[in-house]
Amino acid sequence: SQKIEQNSEALNIQEGKTATLTCNYTNYSPAYLQWYRQDPGRGPVFLLLIRENEKEKRKERLKVTFDTTLKQSLFHITASQPADSATYLCALGYRAGNNRKLIWGLGTSLAVNP
Amino acid sequence: GAVVSQHPSRVICKSGTSVKIECRSLDFQATTMFWYRQFPKQSLMLMATSNEGSKATYEQGVEKDKFLINHASLTLSTLTVTSAHPEDSSFYICSASEDGNVAFFGQGTRLTVV
Repeated sequence: SQKIEQNSEALNIQEGKTATLTCNYTNYSPAYLQWYRQDPGRGPVFLLLIRENEKEKRKERLKVTFDTTLKQSLFHITASQPADSATYLCALGYRAGNNRKLIWGLGTSLAVNP
Repeated sequence: GAVVSQHPSRVICKSGTSVKIECRSLDFQATTMFWYRQFPKQSLMLMATSNEGSKATYEQGVEKDKFLINHASLTLSTLTVTSAHPEDSSFYICSASEDGNVAFFGQGTRLTVV
């Protein structure tokens, strides 16, 4: 079956450390993968998009990798801060016939402790 | 990033009444808008995709007569929950995309049907 999985357990790390979140998928022909941040009771906020032919993308303290062989994307936050505490969602854009669809992971909750 | 405004953020309505939720892209033209529903600790569930000036495409299992979507302009889409019932209580989120890939989300609407 087709699915997308993120770490189900909450991630707790110390301020200043690097947080690494995982997004795995199966049985999709990916076009791109996106990472979003969602705070409680709010809509997701777009962070980064990485295309199938890209290995790595960076934006300030954020880094995303995309390995289409392993069918996995890693999302890193370096020098983490308490303000980074949120739920992080990955969304996979994939080809379905002539259309493109987007499927969402359940998200991983990150808590950065001061 | 681009701004999407969703209104209202919270609404409480009586069972049997209809509720309209607005989604506006404030600083870009949204060729495509998406409507999602999210239950607590669940992933975003796509309800429908709408393109300006054409009928919305509903996902399987979503009643189009119950969830009326109008994408009247490149900056405005509305979702009307008709004859709402308590089981329709949920968090509804819209997103808008200019290029069909990256989507920017509204703040979400917490609907409670009593």
